[in-house]
Parts: sequence; C-alpha cells; structure tokens
Amino acid sequence: EIVLTQSPGTLSLSPGERATLSCRASQSVRSGYLAWYQQKPGQTPRLLIFNASNRATGIPDRFSGSGSGTDFTLTISRLEPEDFAVYYCQHYGSFPRTFGQGTKVEIK
Amino acid sequence: EVQLVESGGGLVQPGGSLRLSCAASGFIFSKFWMSWVRQAPGRGLEWLANIKEDGSERNYEDSVKGRFTISRDNGKNSLYLQMNTLRGEDTAIYYCATGGSWFINWGQGTPITVSS
Repeated sequence: EIVLTQSPGTLSLSPGERATLSCRASQSVRSGYLAWYQQKPGQTPRLLIFNASNRATGIPDRFSGSGSGTDFTLTISRLEPEDFAVYYCQHYGSFPRTFGQGTKVEIK
Repeated sequence: EVQLVESGGGLVQPGGSLRLSCAASGFIFSKFWMSWVRQAPGRGLEWLANIKEDGSERNYEDSVKGRFTISRDNGKNSLYLQMNTLRGEDTAIYYCATGGSWFINWGQGTPITVSS
C-alpha cells in the first residue's frame, strides 16, 4: 500500500498569498497517477487536478499541480477567499487507492 | 447534470449488515467505473472499492475485503455496497463517486453509525 503524507498539516495564509502544499508518497507513484481534491466544511470533495498536473474541468488556472515519483505539489498562486479549505492528494497507480491525511489552508 | 444519490445508511449494531444504494443519472452509467469512498467523522477520505463498467472487475481496500461487496445494475443505473460484519470503525459518511482512478463526481453521501 502506498502511504501519502501531506505537509504541512495546516497552512495559515492571507488572501492573495501563494500556497504550496506537499504530498509525499512512500513509494513511487506509477506514471504520476496522482489527484488533488478540495473539500469545504459540509461539502463533498471537488476534483482539482488529475495525472499530477492536469486541471479538471472548470478549475481556475490559479491551481496547478506538479511532481512525479514520490514528491508532488499543489500550488495556489494567489489565494481567493473561497480557496480556504482542506486539500487531499490521492494516488491511483496501484491498489488500494489511498488518500493523504489532508492539509487545511486557513485564513491567517 | 450528473447526479449521484446515496441511500440506505443509518444506525446498525456491531456485527450487523447494511446495503447502500447509489442512484445515478445525467450520464451513461454503463460506461463508467464507479467507486465507494468513506469519511469518518472529522477524518480524511478512505477509498473502499471500485467496479468496472460491466461489473467484471472489482477491487477492495484491505480492511473491507471479505466484509463488503460492491455491485452494480446497469439496467437500473445503480451502484450498491453490501456491508456485513460491521464494526465501530466503519462509522462514516459513505460516498459513491464516478471513476475508478480519480473521482470526478460525488454524491452527497449517506451516514452510517455502527453502535450498540
């Protein structure tokens, strides 16, 4: 099983700032098969990124994903008020699919 | 518009069983892998199982293998999760989602509480 470790646990930033979220895998994720999701309180997860760097339909271009192997990054170039939420990475390079424990991006 | 509506959740005693359903609409259900994902209260997301478009392939997370069974009825545009021998740690909101790899569309979820 691939264990995904996200850091930091909480990121305190102000609107307009840049957010950099990390997802590290316990072993290489085949072909960069990694996705990122956003979840706001009381809502279902929303797919942001798949295949490590491809934005899902309707996702603003301030969200970008990068990485390969064991190290992946989600970057939000300029935080908007609606971006404060919990973010999860998830791999699908093998079974079982697993999620990271999440990074909370909170307003500073 | 894609819609996924889960049902069948509720309160169940440890060792009990439940069958969840997910009614799909707004897309060609028979052409998509489908998955179940859960989220325990205040916790993160956990993938449970997925099933191929025609039901010929199913995969499970280790903690539910042998206890949970995923199935589908393409004629009814429905996905199911039969859950047996339920434990306290199965308490969570259960979501169905489109996709077998990444998950594009999610239902609103159905809550399950396992408690005596």
